[in-house]
Amino acid sequence: VQLLESGGGLVQPGGSLRLSCAASGFTFSSYAMTWVRQAPGKGLEWVSVISGSGGSTYYVDSVKGRFTISRDNSKNALYLQMSSLRAEDTALYYCVKSGLNRDTAMVDYWGQGTLVTVSS
Amino acid sequence: DIVMTQTPLSSPVTLGQPASISCRSSQSLAHSDGNTYLSWLQQRPGQPLRLLIYKISNRFSGVPDRFSGSGAGTDFTLKISRVEAEDVGVYYCMQGTQFPHTFGQGTKLEIK
Repeated sequence: VQLLESGGGLVQPGGSLRLSCAASGFTFSSYAMTWVRQAPGKGLEWVSVISGSGGSTYYVDSVKGRFTISRDNSKNALYLQMSSLRAEDTALYYCVKSGLNRDTAMVDYWGQGTLVTVSS
Repeated sequence: DIVMTQTPLSSPVTLGQPASISCRSSQSLAHSDGNTYLSWLQQRPGQPLRLLIYKISNRFSGVPDRFSGSGAGTDFTLKISRVEAEDVGVYYCMQGTQFPHTFGQGTKLEIK
């Protein structure tokens, strides 16, 4: 299993960014996928999850209405569209393989993360 | 949201000695499907996060048997039977029973 995140960078408050995760080594469309973030020097925060089909999504309250998780099973790719970014969104964002279909509790393989910095 | 509280936050241990980390949830993690979705993860510098234990006590593939998990309801424990140098890092518990899934604050395991 390999998960490679990209798309992070420096963005101004109020700006937008789209994170991507390229997945390989497993049948991507069969598994739920999760985004988890870690602010510098802090602990882990679960952000969002999407089912294998893409039909079900869940978010932590702090990003609802601002972030959108999506996937393209034909490309083995996971995305996180982030808008109205705030300083508190600054973090390393991890792409995580979850369990089969709607098993969101499993977090078995993690990428190395992509850094998002929100600052003027 | 379910709050996950880990103790201790820092644990200095002697090589070869056991270590134990506690995780308490603000409400029961027992799911209506009969499972309890409590996992333990390890974060070592420069390494991807690693799943150690899922559903309280199931060791993930490749995890040494010196790691074990136990507990029920709201109280859970990760035990390392004999700490090795490679076990240094931060350990997190995570609940996957209710949305949003939530993590403990992390416990830093250090060698004395």
